[in-house]
Amino acid sequence: QVQLVESGGGLVKPGGSLRLSCAASGFTFSDYYMSWIRQAPGKGLEWVSYISSSGSTIYYADSVKGRFTISRDNAKNSLYLQMNSLRAEDTAVYYCAREIVGAVFDYWGQGTLVTVSS
Amino acid sequence: QSALTQPASVSGSPGQSITISCTGTSSDVGGYNYVSWYQQHPGKAPKLMIYEVSNRPSGVPDRFSGSKSGNTASLTISGLQAEDEADYYCSSYTSSSPLFGGGTKLTVL
Repeated sequence: QVQLVESGGGLVKPGGSLRLSCAASGFTFSDYYMSWIRQAPGKGLEWVSYISSSGSTIYYADSVKGRFTISRDNAKNSLYLQMNSLRAEDTAVYYCAREIVGAVFDYWGQGTLVTVSS
Repeated sequence: QSALTQPASVSGSPGQSITISCTGTSSDVGGYNYVSWYQQHPGKAPKLMIYEVSNRPSGVPDRFSGSKSGNTASLTISGLQAEDEADYYCSSYTSSSPLFGGGTKLTVL
């Protein structure tokens, strides 16, 4: 069965950095697009970043462009999100999600909480 | 781009039907047949319920159905059950980035 397991969240000071990981299993990871989606406490969903199956195409939301970097290691079935220059407004649960055509997110991880606070 | 517009809350009694709307523009909901709906229970990850406007993934009950007219998509849940109480989010493909709605809290009375 498809499983996505995020890790790497935690408490970080404004301006700090954090690297999230997402371990995938139960499907051929290298065949699928992947995305990071976040949800601030008590708020709705916000798409953060996308990476194509090969890693050759990458997109970011304007709110994180220049600060976050998405990457993947298909040999390790893993997705990553390097987050730099973190701000209070980046506080959220971060989900990795498998994406199929038409920006459909068919499987989601359980999420990892990132808290940016001094 | 602004988020898609959903009602903040809807409610219904067990056995009844409810509909949640999701309003966008011709650049998102109205421009593509790529509207999805997600169910999220408290503290849990979202779950895909409807994709490409009206298709149900395997395992989703046929009580859940989707439709679209112009720039507004709709999710209908018939025969409401207690376990349907959750937050529901719509989403649309766009030429730049996926858009989500603000979410609708469904209360089963």
